[in-house]
Amino acid sequence: GAGVSQTPSNKVTEKGKYVELRCDPISGHTALYWYRQSLGQGPEFLIYFQGTGAADDSGLPNDRFFAVRPEGSVSTLKIQRTERGDSAVYLCASSLTTGGNNEQFFGPGTRLTVL
Amino acid sequence: AQRVTQPEKLLSVFKGAPVELKCNYSYSGSPELFWYVQYSRQRLQLLLRHISRESIKGFTADLNKGETSFHLKKPFAQEEDSAMYYCALSGLANAGNNRKLIWGLGTSLAVNP
Repeated sequence: GAGVSQTPSNKVTEKGKYVELRCDPISGHTALYWYRQSLGQGPEFLIYFQGTGAADDSGLPNDRFFAVRPEGSVSTLKIQRTERGDSAVYLCASSLTTGGNNEQFFGPGTRLTVL
Repeated sequence: AQRVTQPEKLLSVFKGAPVELKCNYSYSGSPELFWYVQYSRQRLQLLLRHISRESIKGFTADLNKGETSFHLKKPFAQEEDSAMYYCALSGLANAGNNRKLIWGLGTSLAVNP
């Protein structure tokens, strides 16, 4: 089947604006992760969903960041009052959590540029 | 502190030469170690995980708990191995099946003809 998809692939916004980034995981994957990758860095964990609930949001940098997964499938990462420092590639990954197979499958990312 | 260190940002070798990408980690607990690879214009994909002890595309990696290392090796590099390589770890004992990954900065491998 299809892999993890993310939309939009690119988003350019102005400082102070609100943005939403969407992740469509692999069908049947109950675990969903958001990561952020700044230029020249490795990905950094933001938030983990198990089903509909955010089981670990310890990586969200501040309260301008919020994510939802209302039906346990598609997830939306929301950023309020964007700042230039939010510019990065936002990656989504999904995995099965049953048994030992917890390989994370990544989407192509959304490149966010805050001007 | 939980940390993954990849000391080399760029590694350049000639085709057919051996290659070793270094990874050291710091973690209080039982980690699972991974290598992910990102080829040009492609998404991140899993290359190896220490638990499966496989060889993928000729690459191997052995977890050395004494040295807290998980170096990636290949005896004869190929041009198609040119890519960005990330070492990452997750905690085996994390609650609720949480397998969030802690990542190194990545090493860009260039295999020259």
